Amino acid sequence: GAGVSQSPSNKVTEKGKDVELRCDPISGHTALYWYRQSLGQGLEFLIYFQGNSAPDKSGLPSDRFSAERTGGSVSTLTIQRTQQEDSAVYLCASSLRTGRTEAFFGQGTRLTVV
Amino acid sequence: ELKVEQNPLFLSMQEGKNYTIYCNYSTTSDRLYWYRQDPGKSLESLFVLLSNGAVKQEGRLMASLDTKARLSTLHITAAVHDLSATYFCAVDTSIIQGAQKLVFGQGTRLTINP
Repeated sequence: GAGVSQSPSNKVTEKGKDVELRCDPISGHTALYWYRQSLGQGLEFLIYFQGNSAPDKSGLPSDRFSAERTGGSVSTLTIQRTQQEDSAVYLCASSLRTGRTEAFFGQGTRLTVV
Repeated sequence: ELKVEQNPLFLSMQEGKNYTIYCNYSTTSDRLYWYRQDPGKSLESLFVLLSNGAVKQEGRLMASLDTKARLSTLHITAAVHDLSATYFCAVDTSIIQGAQKLVFGQGTRLTINP
């Protein structure tokens, strides 16, 4: 596609429910990144993929967070048993490859846990 | 741990004035990005600075990078209202970690008043 596409744009969920956030990167981009933007923490790295593998998951805040990428394209970030502190904007980015290539960001998914 | 610090965090200025936003970072990197974010929107790439001494200009914005001082600046000339946004610098960690993981500054919220 023309840009990085994320869905849904907004998600309101009840505490304790699981949510899935989707990212469709720019066609041909092999690297994909998830970031989280929240008021108290700014922009934080969560995880990146090169192809379907995730060499760096160091930013995932707890084991309730997981992500996968299939077919080297679409990625899903799953948050289990959501907590109020998970409320944030989740941004996905993609780049042609990892390391030293510009990343382009999607519009984000605003997650609100009530 | 890589730290990226911007200052000021908030900047209110009048149209027509000049100002500079500073971005300091704590460890080796030779690649730095500047992004713009409008309220409720994603990150828009402004500049990619690739080497020591790099200077890039686009309209009223000019960015520079001094890798020895670990400092980047974003200079605004003759500000106009349309430049009101939040500006982020982000340091590419690939030179030290072998895979791109951007570490962001806190952001500078710029408000330009008529």
